[in-house]
Amino acid sequence: DAGVIQSPRHEVTEMGQEVTLRCKPISGHDYLFWYRQTMMRGLELLIYFNNNVPIDDSGMPEDRFSAKMPNASFSTLKIQPSEPRDSAVYFCASSLGVSEQYFGPGTRLTVT
Amino acid sequence: AQSVTQLGSHVSVSEGALVLLRCNYSSSVPPYLFWYVQYPNQGLQLLLKYTTGATLVKGINGFEAEFKKSETSFHLTKPSAHMSDAAEYFCAVRFYGNNRLAFGKGNQVVVIP
Repeated sequence: DAGVIQSPRHEVTEMGQEVTLRCKPISGHDYLFWYRQTMMRGLELLIYFNNNVPIDDSGMPEDRFSAKMPNASFSTLKIQPSEPRDSAVYFCASSLGVSEQYFGPGTRLTVT
Repeated sequence: AQSVTQLGSHVSVSEGALVLLRCNYSSSVPPYLFWYVQYPNQGLQLLLKYTTGATLVKGINGFEAEFKKSETSFHLTKPSAHMSDAAEYFCAVRFYGNNRLAFGKGNQVVVIP
């Protein structure tokens, strides 16, 4: 199994630009989670989906952030417009039921 | 409120010495418990988990953890530290009735030669 795939691995963008992060979960998994990791705040859950439906988006920082899961094998996290404080590592994770989560390698986002 | 506590953000251990990382949670109902490891510039990797059954669970890389209900703890141990164990370790808890994981703040482990 290829594991959870995220792209891009690194993204550098200027403030105000739109950023789209992509995730392909492990085949057959029905839960997908988006996390953000920073030194200051640690690991934060942004949103999670079950069977492609958003269940809890209470961790999404503000309206500039949006996430979609159009099908079972693809999800996006979009930031528009991006700000320097959005700089972080963004992880996608998936699970089968409410068992252990499997994490992707992350996308390191730098907003200048 | 449900919470996960990992004390001591940085832990230094000598090569060959015991590794002990503590994790406590607040819940009256036994949850599902996990330990993850994160190497530099990588995602989190599952070390081991406890769901039901035997309270002493063994994981990868020689790590093990014991669930103690009376102490609401799930401490991680390894008898002999190796240089390759240098990483950040996270305790995670899935509380009863909740689909999300609650993570501790992590322990950065440094192995001293």
